[in-house]
Amino acid sequence: DAGITQSPRYKITETGRQVTLMCHQTWSHSYMFWYRQDLGHGLRLIYYSAAADITDKGEVPDGYVVSRSKTENFPLTLESATRSQTSVYFCASSYYNEQFFGPGTRLTVL
Amino acid sequence: DQQVKQNSPSLSVQEGRISILNCDYTNSMFDYFLWYKKYPAEGPTFLISISSIKDKNEDGRFTVFLNKSAKHLSLHIVPSQPGDSAVYFCAASGGSGGSNYKLTFGKGTLLTVNP
Repeated sequence: DAGITQSPRYKITETGRQVTLMCHQTWSHSYMFWYRQDLGHGLRLIYYSAAADITDKGEVPDGYVVSRSKTENFPLTLESATRSQTSVYFCASSYYNEQFFGPGTRLTVL
Repeated sequence: DQQVKQNSPSLSVQEGRISILNCDYTNSMFDYFLWYKKYPAEGPTFLISISSIKDKNEDGRFTVFLNKSAKHLSLHIVPSQPGDSAVYFCAASGGSGGSNYKLTFGKGTLLTVNP
């Protein structure tokens, strides 16, 4: 399917475990982004990527790792999950200012 | 430091009336502004945008106004419909190089349109 997809849509994990959230886009957009949405904070940028093998930190990068070996994929890894990382995570891609968002992953860390 | 502010967490209007959502920004480097709409359990979707060289942009029932001197923008929805009930995010971008494509979001305003 064309567009941007995220998997899994829902995930429950335990403190200290490693979790990887997947993001895939079919538009060949250069830019990709990861956000988290929390009550009272809106959307906050975690990491972004301008192209394959080029990534940079956003506003709240601590505790997260990203990679981008292919243009279409931008996985986000929580190396050792903490309860404060319980959130809804959105991936987005863009070719200019307008970003297109995936459906989100709801992550719960127990 | 919050660079994009949506000071009203919620807004309730009657169907058929005008909805006005407000957004303020502090960074004078921002030169492009967007509004996104978000329904529960879905990702945000792009609604309308405006460049800093304009003061108004219209798309059907949606109009965005930009007042650069006041660092203020607003989204007008006329007439409001129950299907417009959603969270609306204001976002801004600007700067040089790759940072042009980063968006800074406000915290969102929950719009409820009552039948």
